[in-house]
Amino acid sequence: DIQMTQSPASLSASVGETVTITCRASENIYSYLAWYQQKQGKSPQLLVYNAKTLAEGVPSRFSGSGSGTQFSLKINSLQPEDFGSYYCQHHYGTPYTFGGGTKLEIK
Amino acid sequence: QVQLQQSGAELARPGASVKLSCKASGYTFTSYWMQWVKQRPGQGLEWIGAIYPGDGDTRYTQKFKGKATLTADKSSSTAYMQLSSLASEDSAVYYCARGGYPLYWGQGTTLTVSS
Repeated sequence: DIQMTQSPASLSASVGETVTITCRASENIYSYLAWYQQKQGKSPQLLVYNAKTLAEGVPSRFSGSGSGTQFSLKINSLQPEDFGSYYCQHHYGTPYTFGGGTKLEIK
Repeated sequence: QVQLQQSGAELARPGASVKLSCKASGYTFTSYWMQWVKQRPGQGLEWIGAIYPGDGDTRYTQKFKGKATLTADKSSSTAYMQLSSLASEDSAVYYCARGGYPLYWGQGTTLTVSS
């Protein structure tokens, strides 16, 4: 199975800052990577798929990049509603493993 | 509009089995894979498996083979996940989600395993 390693596990940032979350795959997954945001007590919400394609309705301050085994999610000018947990997941053949998650908190 | 409506919270005894449901509407049920995802309290997302309702093809991650059984009823556009030999570690929220990179998720079903 493909392993997904996400970092950092937690992150503290202020409104207006720019943050980057990284995800590393244990083998080449080309661009088959998605990113999700999850708020406490809610279902995950798709942000990015195919490594860099923003899902419908996702603000342009979010951006995804990478291919192969190294990926990142960048959030420009953090807004109060951006705080929560973020997960990567590959979609290159089953099982579609998730990364361990990044908890983004307000500083 | 696409909706995935999951069954209500469950309380089950250790050793028992439970069957969770996910009723789909607003799209062609047989044309999309349905994933199932586990989330223990305060923990991350864990992929259980997926089913393609069109032909019943199922995929599981190794850890959940023998624990989870995925089925789908085309007549009612409902996906099911049966969990067997329940233990405290199975207490979690379980989500169904449509497709390989799901835009649509169910609201989650909370399973509590306790004697």
